[in-house]
Amino acid sequence: AQTVTQSQPEMSVQEAETVTLSCTYDTSESNYYLFWYKQPPSRQMILVIRQEAYKQQNATENRFSVNFQKAAKSFSLKISDSQLGDTAMYFCAFLTQGGSEKLVFGKGTKLTVNP
Amino acid sequence: DAGVIQSPRHEVTEMGQEVTLRCKPISGHDYLFWYRQTMMRGLELLIYFNNNVPIDDSGMPEDRFSAKMPNASFSTLKIQPSEPRDSAVYFCASSLRLAGGPNEQFFGPGTRLTVL
Repeated sequence: AQTVTQSQPEMSVQEAETVTLSCTYDTSESNYYLFWYKQPPSRQMILVIRQEAYKQQNATENRFSVNFQKAAKSFSLKISDSQLGDTAMYFCAFLTQGGSEKLVFGKGTKLTVNP
Repeated sequence: DAGVIQSPRHEVTEMGQEVTLRCKPISGHDYLFWYRQTMMRGLELLIYFNNNVPIDDSGMPEDRFSAKMPNASFSTLKIQPSEPRDSAVYFCASSLRLAGGPNEQFFGPGTRLTVL
């Protein structure tokens, strides 16, 4: 079974600075997808960014980018120019390609952006 | 589009009572998911449906939990009888299968359940 590990329960960063959230996963699959979801205090789960495992190029969405290291089974999220609105729980998630639609989540990292 | 709609947003009940959580997926989506979020266990998939048919219910904790999807626009998650350890936030999500890409799951706002 796939597992997702987020080793940083909490992190903080100053506004306008850059922060990186870590995620590692374990799988025997070769084709899969990885996601970062954001959950602000409103509780709404919002997709931030996604990566297809067969793509070597790291995904980027505005201030959010990932560092995908397939051999190391690592998928970190970098947030540049942090904003107060980035304060939230961030969850890393894994989805196998084909077959089950089961999304496996990590335990999350609580990010606080300080003014 | 209104997004995934869940009701109620908050539910407080007493141990032993029946609880029914409701979900309306995004129109046209063919997958529906029920998740539970707790501090101890994080986000767990309870069950998911494809075209109204349950596909994987391996995450349903025990027989006290049941889920139905009578049509493409409505699903329920029922707990009977409820216990204090069922207190959690329950999310519903839906997605549409597209060729060549992952099904992005869109989440509802969640139902916070408290069982006293």
